Amino acid sequence: NAGVTQTPKFQVLKTGQSMTLQCAQDMNHNSMYWYRQDPGMGLRLIYYSASEGTTDKGEVPNGYNVSRLNKREFSLRLESAAPSQTSVYFCASSWGQGPSYEQYFGPGTRLTVT
Amino acid sequence: QKEVEQNSGPLSVPEGAIASLNCTYSDRGSQSFFWYRQYSGKSPELIMFIYSNGDKEDGRFTAQLNKASQYVSLLIRDSQPSDSATYLCAVNSGNTPLVFGKGTRLSVIA
Repeated sequence: NAGVTQTPKFQVLKTGQSMTLQCAQDMNHNSMYWYRQDPGMGLRLIYYSASEGTTDKGEVPNGYNVSRLNKREFSLRLESAAPSQTSVYFCASSWGQGPSYEQYFGPGTRLTVT
Repeated sequence: QKEVEQNSGPLSVPEGAIASLNCTYSDRGSQSFFWYRQYSGKSPELIMFIYSNGDKEDGRFTAQLNKASQYVSLLIRDSQPSDSATYLCAVNSGNTPLVFGKGTRLSVIA
C-alpha cells in the first residue's frame, strides 16, 4: 500500500517550458488536492477534485491546470512555467470532503523555474 | 475568508518539557480540527484530530478544543529532540477543503 505517490521528485524548468506533475493514490479516496508550499506562506491550495469527474479552483489557481484522469490519478500541469512557480508541490487525498475526513499527503515535488 | 492563525515560532523547549502549540480560527462554523507534523524537507503527516470541545489524548500528544473561544491547541508531553518539526493546524467547516495555518516551528533542545 504505497499511499499517495508523486512524480517527479525534483524538476528544473526554464521559463516558458511546460510540464505535468503526476499524482496517484491507492487508498480508494474520492477527493484529491494539489498544494504549493513556499517559505513563510504555508500550504496554499491550487486545485482540488471532490470526486472523479469534478475539479475546482483553490486559493492560487492562476498558471495551472488539472486533470482528474480517473479515481486514482490527479495531474497538475504548468503550461508556461514562470519563476514565481518555483515551489514545493504536494498532492493529497481524502476519503471525502466532509468534516470527518483527514488528508494524506504525497512526498512532494521540488520544482525550480529559472 | 476563512483564516487559521498560528505563531510561526520558533518555539524552543528543553528536552522533557511540555510543548504547547496554539491555533486560532475565524470560521465559527468549523467542525473538525487537525494537527499535522512536518519535518524539514518532508511532507505533512497527520498526528491528531479533534471534533468535540475538551481534550483528546493520544500517547504524549493532547489536543484541546475550545469552540467558544475558537481556539485549538496541541500539547506534547516529555518533548524529545525528534519532536523538532513544524506543526500545522488545519480546520474544516462543511464540505470544503481543509484550511491550513502557516505552521509553528518547534525546536526541542537536548
